[in-house]
Amino acid sequence: QVQLQESGPGLVKPSQTLSLTCTVSGGSISSGGYYWSWIRQHPGKGLEWIGFIYYSGSTYYNPSLKSLVTMSVDTSKNQFSLKLSSVTAADTAVYYCARMVAANDGFDIWGQGTLVTVSS
Amino acid sequence: SSELTQDPAVSVALGQTVRITCQGDSLRSYYASWYQQKPGQAPVLVIYGKTNRPSGIPDRFSGSGSGNTASLTITGAQAEDEADYYCNSRDNSGYHMIFGGGTKLTVL
Repeated sequence: QVQLQESGPGLVKPSQTLSLTCTVSGGSISSGGYYWSWIRQHPGKGLEWIGFIYYSGSTYYNPSLKSLVTMSVDTSKNQFSLKLSSVTAADTAVYYCARMVAANDGFDIWGQGTLVTVSS
Repeated sequence: SSELTQDPAVSVALGQTVRITCQGDSLRSYYASWYQQKPGQAPVLVIYGKTNRPSGIPDRFSGSGSGNTASLTITGAQAEDEADYYCNSRDNSGYHMIFGGGTKLTVL
């Protein structure tokens, strides 16, 4: 079955760029019908949608983060990525990658999540 | 901008029925999904498309909705159902996703 795994630095300095990659296994990212997503959760808080990308490269971002977010997809590696620029301590969170089914908007598969701490 | 509103906390006696609600204007146009999250774990989809249950989710979980409100009902709550529950849908533009603030369910 399809599995997702986040990878990237667990510590990022303020003002730098947070970069994470999600590797998709057990299925092809190019198969269509899914939006490949990033969602974060601040410590002890709720879920926040960051954005998603289709395998074609079309992107949709949370309006509150749009100026800072870039997502990309690498179909040859079956991966998609997140870059969040100019980070502050407020960006400290668990970052999840997830698959959203286009037909019903359900996030049906999630990675285990990775904690990213922004600190000098 | 759009919002989804949930009660912060709800409790239910073991074996009883509990309804968790989610309110938002965008729910008049788009279906809700529901997620269960236990401490230290990633969320799990329990309801999609307002009423549909993914395979592997117990049939005590059901979804419903009308107007600007979506509901998740657990019929015969079990101790293992104690968790945070989040609703999710599109915003009014239809191009972005939003989550409710979450409801902490305690099974007494």
